Amino acid sequence: NAGVTQTPKFQVLKTGQSMTLQCAQDMNHNSMYWYRQDPGMGLRLIYYSASEGTTDKGEVPNGYNVSRLNKREFSLRLESAAPSQTSVYFCASNVHWAEPSNYGYTFGSGTRLTVV
Amino acid sequence: AQSVTQLGSHVSVSEGALVLLRCNYSSSVPPYLFWYVQYPNQGLQLLLKYTSAATLVKGINGFEAEFKKSETSFHLTKPSAHMSDAAEYFCAVSGRSYNTDKLIFGTGTRLQVFP
Repeated sequence: NAGVTQTPKFQVLKTGQSMTLQCAQDMNHNSMYWYRQDPGMGLRLIYYSASEGTTDKGEVPNGYNVSRLNKREFSLRLESAAPSQTSVYFCASNVHWAEPSNYGYTFGSGTRLTVV
Repeated sequence: AQSVTQLGSHVSVSEGALVLLRCNYSSSVPPYLFWYVQYPNQGLQLLLKYTSAATLVKGINGFEAEFKKSETSFHLTKPSAHMSDAAEYFCAVSGRSYNTDKLIFGTGTRLQVFP
């Protein structure tokens, strides 16, 4: 099925370890996003990529880096994990903003990350 | 910049009663507005979206929302609640141009439905 695929689904890290969350979409969308979801705080934007080759910081970028490898893939890297990064991470993609009839974000199923 | 405020972090209704989840937005540019639903331990599913001149938007599962520019509101309603509607609901806003199309979420409203 077409959509947004995230890997892994679950991960436990020790403080200071690094890891990369992978995200791929097969809908030929231009924009891709990484969010984190914490109880009572909704989803907060970490980084986004409006098009291949561009990335920009969102609301909570500290401690994270991203790579827009190609149009399909957008990865999120934690260089030195901290307990405050325990969260559920969602990747999303969207058609171009100038296509309102098709406009709408598609979300992956999430990665539940625990940092101990 | 855009922002969203969802009034009430928890809403409880009886099965068959009206569901009303409140959302107010702030945007310096004409917005796109969305409602998403999240069931426990699952991802987000789009309920409905406002992207055009039609201010009353119908979505899936019998939900609808009305865009009211004068009130900067986009409240979600359903005439008759069903047990299966119990979930968390998120209102979100984005702009309509390059670099404003980031989706900004409210903090969510958890809907409980009692038999």
